[in-house]
This record gives sequence, structure tokens and C-alpha cells, in this order.
Amino acid sequence: AQTVTQSQPEMSVQEAETVTLSCTYDTSESDYYLFWYKQPPSRQMILVIRQEAYKQQNATENRFSVNFQKAAKSFSLKISDSQLGDAAMYFCAYRSGGATNKLIFGTGTLLAVQP
Amino acid sequence: SQTIHQWPATLVQPVGSPLSLECTVEGTSNPNLYWYRQAAGRGLQLLFYSVGIGQISSEVPQNLSASRPQDRQFILSSKKLLLSDSGFYLCAWRARDLYNSPLHFGNGTRLTVT
Repeated sequence: AQTVTQSQPEMSVQEAETVTLSCTYDTSESDYYLFWYKQPPSRQMILVIRQEAYKQQNATENRFSVNFQKAAKSFSLKISDSQLGDAAMYFCAYRSGGATNKLIFGTGTLLAVQP
Repeated sequence: SQTIHQWPATLVQPVGSPLSLECTVEGTSNPNLYWYRQAAGRGLQLLFYSVGIGQISSEVPQNLSASRPQDRQFILSSKKLLLSDSGFYLCAWRARDLYNSPLHFGNGTRLTVT
């Protein structure tokens, strides 16, 4: 079975600085998708960024980018120019490319942004 | 555009009472539908998912059940709630025909069993 591990329960960053959140996963599949979701205090789940496993190029969405290392099964999220509104719980998630369509989440990293 | 509605937003129920949480999706057809639970300070646990009307897959044996009576309606139920059923419940949908489509979540239901 696939697993997703986020080894940093909490992180802190100064406003305008850069922070990297770690995520590793375990799978024997070759076709899959990876996601980062943000959950602010409102508890709504917001998609931050996605990555297809077959793509070698790292995904980027404005200040958010990933470092996808397929061989190492690592999928870290980098937030540049951190803003107060970035403070939230961040979840890494894995979805198989097969028929199961299940999204498996890590346990999350709580990011605090210091002014 | 697609929207997902989940209600109620907050619910307080006594132990042993029944439960019904409802989720509907608008603006899309044949979505995959999901129920997740998030315990306090924890990650999201997949409870049920459905790829079509009447098709329910259960991930965790427990006190809950799910049904999909219509294409865009997903219901989470329990006949008798337990204290351990307390948590934050999230409904989500995904476009089945888009290979890289993400999950889109509702606003969640905070359930407290007393």
C-alpha cells in the first residue's frame, strides 16, 4: 500500500523568507500524481500545486514550487517570499494513476509565518 | 463552474443518535465522490469513495456508512454514533475523465458527539 510521510509536524518562517516543506512517499507504481494542499484556520482544503509523476519538470505556481525527486520518492514544497496568509497546515497527497483514484494524505506540517 | 455543498457546517449529537451528512456537487457530471475524516490535529483519513450511483467503496471498517442515491449526491450516515466518531468531515469530488484532476473539497462538517 502507498504511504505518504511528512516528517516536519511544525515549521516556522519569517515573512518574505523562503521555506521548504518535506514529503516522502512509498509506492511501487510508476503512474501517479502528487499534490500539496493548504488548510488555513477556516479548515477549507485548498489545492496549492500538483505534479504528474511522468513529468520531469518541477511544477511551479507563482511563489510555490516543488522539488520532485522520483527516484528518491521525494516531493518537497518551496514557498518563496512567505506571506502572513501562507500560515496554514500543509498536506502532501498521493493519488494512483490507476482505477482506484484514492487520494492518500500525509499527516501535515503546520507552518507559522512570523512578521 | 463547479461547486460543492456540504451540510450542516456544525453538528452536536449525543452518543447513540443517528447521523446524516449530505454533500452535493453542481456543474459536473459523473464525478468521483469522497468522504474524509480529520481528527483534531491529525491528517485526513479516507472513509468512503464512489465512482458511480450505488457504488461505494469502504476504506475503514467502522460505525459509518455511505450512500450515493443520485449522481451528484453523497451521504454519510450512522445508525448509532460513538464518541470516537467526533471529528471534522470533508466531502470531496474529482472529475473522473480528467487524468490529473485534483480533489475539490467542501467546507466540512464539524461533528461533536457528546
